[in-house]
Amino acid sequence: DTAVSQTPKYLVTQMGNDKSIKCEQNLGHDTMYWYKQDSKKFLKIMFSYNNKELIINETVPNRFSPKSPDKAHLNLHINSLELGDSAVYFCASSPNRGQPQHFGDGTRLSIL
Amino acid sequence: QQQVKQSPQSLIVQKGGISIINCAYENTAFDYFPWYQQFPGKGPALLIAIRPDVSEKKEGRFTISFNKSAKQFSLHIMDSQPGDSATYFCASMLSGGGADGLTFGKGTHLIIQP
Repeated sequence: DTAVSQTPKYLVTQMGNDKSIKCEQNLGHDTMYWYKQDSKKFLKIMFSYNNKELIINETVPNRFSPKSPDKAHLNLHINSLELGDSAVYFCASSPNRGQPQHFGDGTRLSIL
Repeated sequence: QQQVKQSPQSLIVQKGGISIINCAYENTAFDYFPWYQQFPGKGPALLIAIRPDVSEKKEGRFTISFNKSAKQFSLHIMDSQPGDSATYFCASMLSGGGADGLTFGKGTHLIIQP
């Protein structure tokens, strides 16, 4: 069974649309994260959630909003998509803050 | 502003050779230094990690060397195999749960030639 799973794997949409990416972890971890990997493969933290509380928020546009319905899920909602949002988005989880993180296989978002 | 500098950007090593990737960090508060391995179409996978209270950690063919005074750490892959061909990322973090999560280097594309 996949420890951290993301859906969809690929997402192609037009500029201005609103989309969501789902993430689920079955590791029993308390903290979940979203990272963005750009075309040059640079990985950058976007958000982290611990016990359903947002604990960090990098300089990410407020068009991006994480939502956690329960400890095992952290979904990423993106409003008014822009060309620059094209990237691979990775979900990750860790037992708690500051502990080893396990990543999903990513969602490749392409904006037309 | 990049807080973790990784080199080289790409590396070609013959099968059986030693692959060496280097990283330097700026934030002296960082106290957890993992290496991640990423294959095409997959997420980064934790390979090995070290904390600054030791200077070296070995797991199988993979070794991390850590130099706290120089703020540098490196990954050594012994007896490199074609299956090791991947992109490798070093990272740094505050293990106490600092606000920034993992700060990654820009990655090294490693190719092991058979």
